Amino acid sequence: EDQVTQSPEALRLQEGESSSLNCSYTVSGLRGLFWYRQDPGKGPEFLFTLYSAGEEKEKERLKATLTKKESFLHITAPKPEDSATYLCAVQGGRSQGNLIFGKGTKLSVKP
Amino acid sequence: KAGVTQTPRYLIKTRGQQVTLSCSPISGHRSVSWYQQTPGQGLQFLFEYFSETQRNKGNFPGRFSGRQFSNSRSEMNVSTLELGDSALYLCASTSMGLNTEAFFGQGTRLTVV
Repeated sequence: EDQVTQSPEALRLQEGESSSLNCSYTVSGLRGLFWYRQDPGKGPEFLFTLYSAGEEKEKERLKATLTKKESFLHITAPKPEDSATYLCAVQGGRSQGNLIFGKGTKLSVKP
Repeated sequence: KAGVTQTPRYLIKTRGQQVTLSCSPISGHRSVSWYQQTPGQGLQFLFEYFSETQRNKGNFPGRFSGRQFSNSRSEMNVSTLELGDSALYLCASTSMGLNTEAFFGQGTRLTVV
């Protein structure tokens, strides 16, 4: 069964304090791993897609990496506006269009 | 380019009633998926439509149904509402081209009382 586990559930950082979020997955035939950001009461906002182990993508203070078993979302020198829930999702070979989501990591960045 | 539009944004319904939610995907996107988000279960896949056909379905009871029209707009219906159906319902559209990422709407917040 395809499964995604994110850790930690919650993370509190001081502004400028870099850290990483983890996404561990088991999936049959990974077609893509996705990172989303979700603000309270809003829909998930697409951040990155990773397709194969070793791939990395960056956007402003965020960098996503992928191995065969997990993905990391590195946040460098975060700012309060980075506070949100970060969701990881996978699309496996057996699925047609549906994503399997983790429960998310709620990030709080204090000034 | 307009994003995914979901209507209404908020709904309050009584147990036993039925409800219909609407989703207009990004122009040119032909795949529409629906998800239910609750604090306890997170985001769970309901179903996916492509070219007016349901291609995939999650583990939800038959009270949850959907359809897609020729212009790719989609609706989902929940009949005989239960308190546990209170959730944020999210619609996502995908181009089904080289890029497989799904883009989400703002969601419809359904409260069942």
